[in-house]
Amino acid sequence: SQKIEQNSEALNIQEGKTATLTCNYTNYSPAYLQWYRQDPGRGPVFLLLIRENEKEKRKERLKVTFDTTLKQSLFHITASQPADSATYLCALVAVEAGKSTFGDGTTLTVKP
Amino acid sequence: DTAVSQTPKYLVTQMGNDKSIKCEQNLGHDTMYWYKQDSKKFLKIMFSYNNKELIINETVPNRFSPKSPDKAHLNLHINSLELGDSAVYFCASSRQTGSGNTIYFGEGSWLTVV
Repeated sequence: SQKIEQNSEALNIQEGKTATLTCNYTNYSPAYLQWYRQDPGRGPVFLLLIRENEKEKRKERLKVTFDTTLKQSLFHITASQPADSATYLCALVAVEAGKSTFGDGTTLTVKP
Repeated sequence: DTAVSQTPKYLVTQMGNDKSIKCEQNLGHDTMYWYKQDSKKFLKIMFSYNNKELIINETVPNRFSPKSPDKAHLNLHINSLELGDSAVYFCASSRQTGSGNTIYFGEGSWLTVV
């Protein structure tokens, strides 16, 4: 069966360090993978998209990698700040399915 | 201006009641969605509409009935509410479905069934 797993429900790191979040999937052939941020009491907000033929994408302090062989995406936040504390969701987009399917999220806490 | 707006934000109601959640988007998108997020934060698609036509219906009980009067609106009506329906319901929109386009979410409607 299809499955999307994000690493541990919670990730705690010290300010200034790099946070690395993982998104593993099985039995999917996504054309795209997206990362969203969700703050408590709010809806998810889009951060980055990476295509299946792209290895890496960057945006300011954010970096996403996509390895279709390992069926994994890594999401990095460098020089993390307490304001980066939130839940981060990965979403796989399979064109033939016509929808985005979300992982269960990782809650990141950056401590000052 | 709010891109995707949904009302009400909070809803507490008794089992057996019927309730509706309204959603509007002002982004000019063709596709709208309803997602359900449970207490474990798992975000699961319920319905997707493209230009007022239902294109995804993800094994949702018949008690849930979406209605799209035009492509800017997608309302969700729930009959005979059950305790298990308690969750956060997110309305969302995008330019097209399944093409990697950004999904824009509303702020959510917190439904509590007592």
